[in-house]
Amino acid sequence: AQTVTQSQPEMSVQEAETVTLSCTYDTSESDYYLFWYKQPPSRQMILVIRQEAYKQQNATENRFSVNFQKAAKSFSLKISDSQLGDAAMYFCAYRSAPPGYALNFGKGTSLLVTP
Amino acid sequence: GAVVSQHPSRVICKSGTSVKIECRSLDFQATTMFWYRQFPKQSLMLMATSNEGSKATYEQGVEKDKFLINHASLTLSTLTVTSAHPEDSSFYICSARGRRASQETQYFGPGTRLLVL
Repeated sequence: AQTVTQSQPEMSVQEAETVTLSCTYDTSESDYYLFWYKQPPSRQMILVIRQEAYKQQNATENRFSVNFQKAAKSFSLKISDSQLGDAAMYFCAYRSAPPGYALNFGKGTSLLVTP
Repeated sequence: GAVVSQHPSRVICKSGTSVKIECRSLDFQATTMFWYRQFPKQSLMLMATSNEGSKATYEQGVEKDKFLINHASLTLSTLTVTSAHPEDSSFYICSARGRRASQETQYFGPGTRLLVL
């Protein structure tokens, strides 16, 4: 079974600054997907960014970007120009390539954004 | 974008009663739906995978007679917590597999908070 590890239970960043959340995973598969989800206090899960393992180029979505290191099995999330609305729990997730597989989540990182 | 709804958003029930939670994909057909459980300040734990028209596949440690899942149509899956007890109190989230911009992804419902007294 694949395991997803988020080693930072809590992180703090000042508004407008940059923060990086770390995620590592363990798998023997060569094709898979990686995701970062945000869960604000409303508890609605929101997809932040996704990365296909076969793509070498790191995914970016506006202020959010990832550093995907396939050999090291590392998938960190960088949030630039942090905003108060970025405060939330962030979950890293792994999904096997074939359709219909569920997401395997890490334990999450709580991000606090200070003014 | 794709929308998944859950009903009810919160429910309080007495110990021993059964509670049904509905998960609907509103604007797409969901061949697969997933049910997760989340305890306070913890991650999402997969309970079961539900494919339309077939029996759900439960994760190890999840009692299938306790958590009944029905996926009768391409837009509706239900989770029934039978003979609920206080330890079943939790946040239950469903997600549905769909397609957007040719990419398969999972869309999450807003969750259901269950409190068993």
